[in-house]
Amino acid sequence: GQQVMQIPQYQHVQEGEDFTTYCNSSTTLSNIQWYKQRPGGHPVFLIQLVKSGEVKKQKRLTFQFGEAKKNSSLHITATQTTDVGTYFCAGQGGGADGLTFGKGTHLIIQP
Amino acid sequence: DGGITQSPKYLFRKEGQNVTLSCEQNLNHDAMYWYRQDPGQGLRLIYYSQIVNDFQKGDIAEGYSVSREKKESFPLTVTSAQKNPTAFYLCASSTTGGQSNQPQHFGDGTRLSIL
Repeated sequence: GQQVMQIPQYQHVQEGEDFTTYCNSSTTLSNIQWYKQRPGGHPVFLIQLVKSGEVKKQKRLTFQFGEAKKNSSLHITATQTTDVGTYFCAGQGGGADGLTFGKGTHLIIQP
Repeated sequence: DGGITQSPKYLFRKEGQNVTLSCEQNLNHDAMYWYRQDPGQGLRLIYYSQIVNDFQKGDIAEGYSVSREKKESFPLTVTSAQKNPTAFYLCASSTTGGQSNQPQHFGDGTRLSIL
């Protein structure tokens, strides 16, 4: 079955540094979604990417979908304490496939 | 105020006992999902339902059962056959239609522990 790998599992950064998490699928994806889960909370939808090579920005967050539609990344510029949490990617294969979530990247920010 | 409500927030299960987790949504979403989250494991799909009176097994359905008698409700029963039920259970819902999965809206979750 489809597998979605996400790295790194944990990332410690100083406040103000940049952060990137990477997502790789074993198969070509039709689309990919990104979610953020704050400590003790539930996942919240951030964005969906559909097109090959697509890049979308949300303030300090930049999301990218690879040309082959098998990988994606989330980059945060100048991290703030409010960015703390776990970031999940979730990919969909073709047809009626559901979402397969990666294991997430835990972002820890040191002030 | 629209959203998804899961109850209870915390639940304890005794050996050999079945327990049912509640999930209600007032978003008028057709699709509903149950996930299990363990530390370091991400979210794993237990069951999902695209329409009332129909549901499908996800990746880890063994030891669980669901029903979808109403559009708003998708309860999950953790049976005694589930030998390692301690986890954080998340319910989600989404609209359906189109080629792509729609964004999923999650409830606050239920933490289940073994006594």
